[in-house]
Amino acid sequence: DAKTTQPPSMDCAEGRAANLPCNHSTISGNEYVYWYRQIHSQGPQYIIHGLKNNETNEMASLIITEDRKSSTLILPHATLRDTAVYYCIVRALQGAQKLVFGQGTRLTINP
Amino acid sequence: EPEVTQTPSHQVTQMGQEVILRCVPISNHLYFYWYRQILGQKVEFLVSFYNNEISEKSEIFDDQFSVERPDGSNFTLKIRSTKLEDSAMYFCASGTQGGAGELFFGEGSRLTVL
Repeated sequence: DAKTTQPPSMDCAEGRAANLPCNHSTISGNEYVYWYRQIHSQGPQYIIHGLKNNETNEMASLIITEDRKSSTLILPHATLRDTAVYYCIVRALQGAQKLVFGQGTRLTINP
Repeated sequence: EPEVTQTPSHQVTQMGQEVILRCVPISNHLYFYWYRQILGQKVEFLVSFYNNEISEKSEIFDDQFSVERPDGSNFTLKIRSTKLEDSAMYFCASGTQGGAGELFFGEGSRLTVL
């Protein structure tokens, strides 16, 4: 079972920052926080991942709290194409560790 | 940009028939996975594969399922005798670093069992 908790849905206005929260209070020291998204029925798309430091790439920023029990994915300037289901996943470092998808957050970007 | 490719994009089959879904992972990847997503439901893990053997499989991955990497490039999922409940989107994924790296997913193969 997924070890994260996310709100089932969120709305955001186009051009604004979308902040998606995730709770992972039982995360272990050897687990990363990953974010993926799925647009319609396409294959899940990798967004970003981190261990304990904040991370930023061309798609998004990931803010992880100091105790690592929660994180926030930030899409700085949301567009209509960012409408998707966003998944927060914790995943162990070692071996062929699978991703376990929960229900995610359905983010709708409104014009 | 390298990508994971899957064929066929859509397959319709009769119940009881064998189906093979094919995947070409990204060329330098070492870890391979199959997932499925029944319409309207979440993405479910089926199996992971590393070093030419199954690393982990879920309860869904019963004796009707098998995986193979026959030629060092393709990664296949075989369903021996399809059931109606096997109708789903099947996603292949590959990665380089196990738990420390991202997985790249294909666009999926939609299987419809009649």
